[in-house]
Amino acid sequence: AQKITQTQPGMFVQEKEAVTLDCTYDTSDPSYGLFWYKQPSSGEMIFLIYQGSYDQQNATEGRYSLNFQKARKSANLVISASQLGDSAMYFCAMREFNTGNQFYFGTGTSLTVIP
Amino acid sequence: EPEVTQTPSHQVTQMGQEVILRCVPISNHLYFYWYRQILGQKVEFLVSFYNNEISEKSEIFDDQFSVERPDGSNFTLKIRSTKLEDSAMYFCASSEGVSYNEQFFGPGTRLTVL
Repeated sequence: AQKITQTQPGMFVQEKEAVTLDCTYDTSDPSYGLFWYKQPSSGEMIFLIYQGSYDQQNATEGRYSLNFQKARKSANLVISASQLGDSAMYFCAMREFNTGNQFYFGTGTSLTVIP
Repeated sequence: EPEVTQTPSHQVTQMGQEVILRCVPISNHLYFYWYRQILGQKVEFLVSFYNNEISEKSEIFDDQFSVERPDGSNFTLKIRSTKLEDSAMYFCASSEGVSYNEQFFGPGTRLTVL
């Protein structure tokens, strides 16, 4: 089974609107972390936001928030007030803290912000 | 702000040749990683390295691959005999610890095998 599933290969959003990028995960480790990375066309990986499995509140970082639904094993990224510079690939990733030291990445979602 | 650096940014090589990709992790970080991303595909874990030894590796990381920390600052990935399918972006990353800390990624090296 896939550790991380991103079901939206491509998304479009109007500038200044909010958009939700979906991510579901699969793990039996009770201690894990969920991450979102942005990859612009230039190729670098930019960390956006982190959510720990024991965190009680949803993580927020500026215009980014993570809608963490533990029972559903989902960790959707919400980008508010989209900007043209948000156009990029977005990857959801997970680390299992008791069973290894690697990141599992999803296949990514390509977000295009329309003026 | 400290960052992970990688050299070269792009390397072109002939099939069967050896390549060494170089990374300088953030100086106080203890854990180092290599990932690859074949064009248009997801990022795949290759190997993690701690305390001068491999702590975990994926099935992709076969005998053709090796990693080394030759001095106090560099972390290298060697591919002994490159194949066409090794063409990819290779990312180095480092982290302070193994718990919740994020991994900081370098800008990547694009390897093209002809």
